[in-house]
Amino acid sequence: NAGVTQTPKFRILKIGQSMTLQCTQDMNHNYMYWYRQDPGMGLKLIYYSVGAGITDKGEVPNGYNVSRSTTEDFPLRLELAAPSQTSVYFCASSYFVHGYEQYFGPGTRLTVT
Amino acid sequence: QQQVKQSPQSLIVQKGGISIINCAYENTAFDYFPWYQQFPGKGPALLIAIRPDVSEKKEGRFTISFNKSAKQFSLHIMDSQPGDSATYFCAASSAGANSKLTFGKGITLSVRP
Repeated sequence: NAGVTQTPKFRILKIGQSMTLQCTQDMNHNYMYWYRQDPGMGLKLIYYSVGAGITDKGEVPNGYNVSRSTTEDFPLRLELAAPSQTSVYFCASSYFVHGYEQYFGPGTRLTVT
Repeated sequence: QQQVKQSPQSLIVQKGGISIINCAYENTAFDYFPWYQQFPGKGPALLIAIRPDVSEKKEGRFTISFNKSAKQFSLHIMDSQPGDSATYFCAASSAGANSKLTFGKGITLSVRP
């Protein structure tokens, strides 16, 4: 199993551009998450999904959108990129939320200039 | 309001020493407490987790100690090795339909040879 895969690994965007961060998992997990990690700030939940067709906002959803058309894929869309979205983005998945391990992807480092 | 607080912010330990990282939480509904380990350039990975029905859990050189009355839990790394140098996150979650995993800000551990 590949686990959780993310593409791209790195990306530089200009202010106002848009992009989609891809995330795929092959563990048949219902729960998927998007986090951003900023230095010294830990992991902040952006959006999460409890199954195909169901998504909900996390702690810092502004400026982002998600969709979940299949169990395997959970893309994160950035519209009108801003410097404040410069961060490392992690996708994760788990069998269930409470009490179960979250498996993280390798991350996407995004810079908005 | 930060629900999970870690201390210290950074830690330097000599090889063979004991590394101790503390975590305090506020929400008494939390009942699952994992520690995640993150190496540079990688996603976090579950290291060890505890539930409040036990006061201590040991896996190899890693031990979680849990103090429910003080609302604190800590990670002890015995015989610390340079390969343990990483960022460590404590986290917590509670049961319920809207359960989410709340992470601390993380601490960077450096183990000197």
